[in-house]
This record gives sequence, structure tokens and C-alpha cells, in this order.
Amino acid sequence: AQSVTQPDIHITVSEGASLELRCNYSYGATPYLFWYVQSPGQGLQLLLKYFSGDTLVQGIKGFEAEFKRSQSSFNLRKPSVHWSDAAEYFCAVGNKLVFGAGTILRVKS
Amino acid sequence: GAVVSQHPSRVICKSGTSVKIECRSLDFQATTMFWYRQFPKQSLMLMATSNEGSKATYEQGVEKDKFLINHASLTLSTLTVTSAHPEDSSFYICSARTSGTSTDTQYFGPGTRLTVL
Repeated sequence: AQSVTQPDIHITVSEGASLELRCNYSYGATPYLFWYVQSPGQGLQLLLKYFSGDTLVQGIKGFEAEFKRSQSSFNLRKPSVHWSDAAEYFCAVGNKLVFGAGTILRVKS
Repeated sequence: GAVVSQHPSRVICKSGTSVKIECRSLDFQATTMFWYRQFPKQSLMLMATSNEGSKATYEQGVEKDKFLINHASLTLSTLTVTSAHPEDSSFYICSARTSGTSTDTQYFGPGTRLTVL
């Protein structure tokens, strides 16, 4: 069965610092992988997706993620966090999306 | 980009009444729409998948007689929560998938907050 683990429930980083949100998945074949962001009161917004090809994927808002098959991971990164990045981030896998539990990002000024 | 709307954004109803939530794809045709439920501080859980013109497919544990889904056109799906009870209070989110291969991305609506008193 497909599953997604986001080990960190909360993460706090200082504005301007780098960010890495972890995502590990369990999937029987080459997975379709996604990262979504949910801001308070708003719907999920797709940040980036991986279907095949280059394992380093660039997304919107300066985010990127790297697919590592050997580690079953698809971690989300951003080199310099802005206060507006504070939100909840969800990793998802599969054609019929299976979501992780989410990671709440807090940004300190 | 693809836009999905939901109406209403927030609804409060009395226990025992039924509530209908609409999900529309505004600028594309969605052959498949999905309905999710999100409890506070938890992830989205898929409730059902609806394909235009056919019956919805419900996930295990979701009562199909309680959560009625209709997908009558390529731009509209509705979720009706029948005989709502306080435990049905939740955030309901729909998503729509563009037609084509199975790798197409889903676009999410902003969600509907249901509170049952």
C-alpha cells in the first residue's frame, strides 16, 4: 500500500535561513510525487511535482525538491525562507493522491 | 492556470439536516473529481472519486448513503451530506483532474468548512 511519512510535525526557521522539509514514501513502482502548500483559510496549492526525468525538480516560490529512489525520499528545500512561507506543507504520492500528515512551518523574524 | 471553486465556503447547519457542497472547475473540463475530508491538524483523507456521468467510487469506511456524490457535468460535482451530525463537522475539499493520462495533476478547491450543531 502507498504511504507517505512526514517526520516533522512542526519546524521553525529564521527568516532568511535555509529550509528542508522531509518526506519519505512507500510505493510499489516509480512514484508520482507532489508537494502542496496550504495557507490558513486557503486551498492547497501545488508547489511542484515529479513524474519522471531529472530528479531535481524546480517549483514555484523558489522551492525545489529532489527525488532519491535509494532513500525513498522527496525532500522539499528552499535556500532562503521568507515570512510569507509560513504555512502547512503536504507531501503526496501516487495517481490517487495519498497525503502525508503535513509539516507546519513557522518563520521567525 | 486551472481554477477550482467550491460553494459555499462555510456552512453551519442543524443536526439532522442535509447540506450540499458544490465543486466547479472554472476553466477546464474535469473528467474526474475527488472529494477529501480534513480533520483539524490532520491530513486530507480521500473520501471518493467521481467520474463524469458515472457513479462515484467510495473509499473504504466512507458511507455512500451518507455522502452522496453527483458528477453530472464536466465542470460540476456535488457532495451532499445527508442527515448531518456533529461528527460530520469537518473541512471538505474537492479537487479536479484534467482529462488525459493518469499523470495529470489535480487542482484543489479552497474547501468548505461544515459545522453541524
